[in-house]
Amino acid sequence: SQQGEEDPQALSIQEGENATMNCSYKTSINNLQWYRQNSGRGLVHLILIRSNEREKHSGRLRVTLDTSKKSSSLLITASRAADTASYFCATDAGYQKVTFGTGTKLQVIP
Amino acid sequence: EAGVAQSPRYKIIEKRQSVAFWCNPISGHATLYWYQQILGQGPKLLIQFQNNGVVDDSQLPKDRFSAERLKGVDSTLKIQPAKLEDSAVYLCASSFPQGPEAFFGQGTRLTVV
Repeated sequence: SQQGEEDPQALSIQEGENATMNCSYKTSINNLQWYRQNSGRGLVHLILIRSNEREKHSGRLRVTLDTSKKSSSLLITASRAADTASYFCATDAGYQKVTFGTGTKLQVIP
Repeated sequence: EAGVAQSPRYKIIEKRQSVAFWCNPISGHATLYWYQQILGQGPKLLIQFQNNGVVDDSQLPKDRFSAERLKGVDSTLKIQPAKLEDSAVYLCASSFPQGPEAFFGQGTRLTVV
């Protein structure tokens, strides 16, 4: 079963715009991670936020976490064509059991 | 640093046949995962190993799927007999004991016809 659910399922933006995707999950977590998957390839870890953190930045990425609402958001600023990929949130509820959401498919148009 | 290695990259089999996938994790990574990713969906955890012990296999269809991790390093995932709905990409990932970032291999794309 999927722990997280991303919203929107698909997103199309122009290069230079910001992209925001959201993740909602069901149970308490130790941390939440975001991964990127380019077409036909494996997943790449982007950023991790722990349950006691509210916001985290890494380059053009900004992640927020609201444990009271069991939700997280990923913001990609100044998007590039190379950001075109599927983005997944993944939750760790303990014992490093990493469970993935349904994903947001992002298309950045040059 | 070498990444997670998986083989084969692609496999086509007929239903009711058997198939095996191999994974070599990053050196030093005690935790190993097998995920099944059906087209258009997120990866679904099949089994998680810590060294050569199973941590979680609650979503592994044990009537047809089996996995082992010998000596706490390499792992194999087997399907016998395969069904059409097993068509998916099978992803192997590994992480350090203290985790939690997982490093993924390129996956094996299985087509069952």
